[in-house]
Amino acid sequence: QVQLQESGPGLVKPSQTLSLTCTVSGGSISSGGYYWSWIRQHPGKGLEWIGYIYYSGSTYYNPSLKSRVTISVDTSKNQFSLKLSSVTAADTAVYYCASLRPGTVTFDYWGQGTLVTVSS
Amino acid sequence: DIVMTQSPDSLAVSLGERATINCKSSQSVLYSSNNKNYLAWYQQKPGQPPKLLIYWASTRESGVPDRFSGSGSGTDFTLTISSLQAEDVAVYYCQQYYSTPGFTFGPGTKVDIK
Repeated sequence: QVQLQESGPGLVKPSQTLSLTCTVSGGSISSGGYYWSWIRQHPGKGLEWIGYIYYSGSTYYNPSLKSRVTISVDTSKNQFSLKLSSVTAADTAVYYCASLRPGTVTFDYWGQGTLVTVSS
Repeated sequence: DIVMTQSPDSLAVSLGERATINCKSSQSVLYSSNNKNYLAWYQQKPGQPPKLLIYWASTRESGVPDRFSGSGSGTDFTLTISSLQAEDVAVYYCQQYYSTPGFTFGPGTKVDIK
């Protein structure tokens, strides 16, 4: 079974860049036609899709975040990463990585999530 | 963008009773070429990530109990828990994937025990 685990700093200063990595285990990030996604959840709020990447490097971003988001993939490490620039307190959220299943186009495996707080 | 709304915001149901959650999309998520509704339901328990319950509006994910069912088409959808169990206390989200890559989620409905 595929497992995902987020890692990265839990505290980021305003105007800096948030950087997170998702490590995939139990399967290859390059196989199965999956897309690899980032989703966030503001405290006590709903879910916001950030973007996703295919193992080839093709990316798709939420238009509302597109100017600040970069998602990359490292197939040799079976990891993909998120960078969000120029963060503000509004970017404080739990960040999840998830796999996007081809065919049904649904998020079927999720990491446990990591809380990132933006504060000086 | 397709905007998803849900009702009610929260509900409390007695154990063994039926719980019904509604989801509405701002435009149809029915893809005419394959007659599929691009609508999924997720369950999120406190401190956990969301879990996929249903896709194509009515297809249960493998391992999901059959007390969970989805229905609806076009813009109006329903998630029904036929006999609420204690472990079903959670927030439930609908999500459209019609306008990929622009996925959007509903605001969530919290289900509690009465």
